[in-house]
Amino acid sequence: DSGVTQTPKHLITATGQRVTLRCSPRSGDLSVYWYQQSLDQGLQFLIQYYNGEERAKGNILERFSAQQFPDLHSELNLSSLELGDSALYFCASTGGAPDTQYFGPGTRLTVL
Amino acid sequence: SQKIEQNSEALNIQEGKTATLTCNYTNYSPAYLQWYRQDPGRGPVFLLLIRENEKEKRKERLKVTFDTTLKQSLFHITASQPADSATYLCALDSRMNRDDKIIFGKGTRLHILP
Repeated sequence: DSGVTQTPKHLITATGQRVTLRCSPRSGDLSVYWYQQSLDQGLQFLIQYYNGEERAKGNILERFSAQQFPDLHSELNLSSLELGDSALYFCASTGGAPDTQYFGPGTRLTVL
Repeated sequence: SQKIEQNSEALNIQEGKTATLTCNYTNYSPAYLQWYRQDPGRGPVFLLLIRENEKEKRKERLKVTFDTTLKQSLFHITASQPADSATYLCALDSRMNRDDKIIFGKGTRLHILP
């Protein structure tokens, strides 16, 4: 158990809908990273927050947004969903330095 | 652009032998390199980190080398066991861009055959 929690574990929704994925980092970790993993793309970095502020951005679509709250949990919002958004979404946390990342169990999103 | 390549999508190794996985990168000089293990449907789990000034790192049956001249890391599992079957990911920091993100390779699926 990495200490990182993610909810929900599974999510099935329809095209055009909006969903919110939630992540709670390990106790004491200030940094949260979001990744998307599909079969053909590998683990793609989306966005990072550090202590409530956006720190780095990767291949995140404009339809996606994220935030980190004062209690350090983070939410990833995905809107106008398309079939191609079906994937595993992971969050990871670190203490601050971008080295060892502790990953949550992931949310499997299926868009029908 | 920065690129990470892991030598093969899948690798079959006989139990008891040494499995060697390769990670090559181009177009930048990372400060460190990491290896993760991922089982199907689960999040990656950190295994080892090696810094640019280190040539080799060991942890139990695992060994990682880092050659910054060749821009390559080798990941070895000695005395391999069927339980070592998983996907192994290498990851590098993106220090060149002065941000905090880590870039992952696509991974190598390792099958240890009994």
